[in-house]
Amino acid sequence: SAVISQKPSRDICQRGTSLTIQCQVDSQVTMMFWYRQQPGQSLTLIATANQGSEATYESGFVIDKFPISRPNLTFSTLTVSNMSPEDSSIYLCSVEGRLNTGELFFGEGSRLTVL
Amino acid sequence: LAKTTQPISMDSYEGQEVNITCSHNNIATNDYITWYQQFPSQGPRFIIQGYKTKVTNEVASLFIPADRKSSTLSLPRVSLSDTAVYYCLVYSNSGNTPLVFGKGTRLSVIA
Repeated sequence: SAVISQKPSRDICQRGTSLTIQCQVDSQVTMMFWYRQQPGQSLTLIATANQGSEATYESGFVIDKFPISRPNLTFSTLTVSNMSPEDSSIYLCSVEGRLNTGELFFGEGSRLTVL
Repeated sequence: LAKTTQPISMDSYEGQEVNITCSHNNIATNDYITWYQQFPSQGPRFIIQGYKTKVTNEVASLFIPADRKSSTLSLPRVSLSDTAVYYCLVYSNSGNTPLVFGKGTRLSVIA
């Protein structure tokens, strides 16, 4: 298993500002995933982050809005840029367990409220 | 990726067995069926995964018929703490394919 720590756990932000969410894993992992979960909804994949390469974004998500860094095999950041109330959501970091098994471990999430 | 369909919600009394069925008509040969559980204010937690027939672990059982177009997650003797959202996902082990979550089934266990 993997233990994932996310910071901040929650934050309240003003419209137009940016916030960076950090994800720290207690072991080295190849792939890290960032998901968004809006209130009462399912999870939506934002992007896949591999160390040493550009993140791969899903349809509807762009790098300018959600820049991602992956400087090493245990850490990643997701920035939510130029925030609006529609960005209010829980942002979740996850990593794959056993390779190619579909088993993901998730952090507790970062609850973001944009006023 | 195969699309999954599952009931939006289910209710059950404590002590009963709960079966949640998921349809995945377009499942491919390399696809596995995976189930996750999510409690409020927490990230999803992997429960069980299977390819065909039956898989059982300490938490649940997963039944997959021969055509693999559906699967059933079985939770034995549920308790109030099993109240959560349960997600059925189809996962391909043929490459680096990220997991896509469907809408999930909200299970409410009543005393």
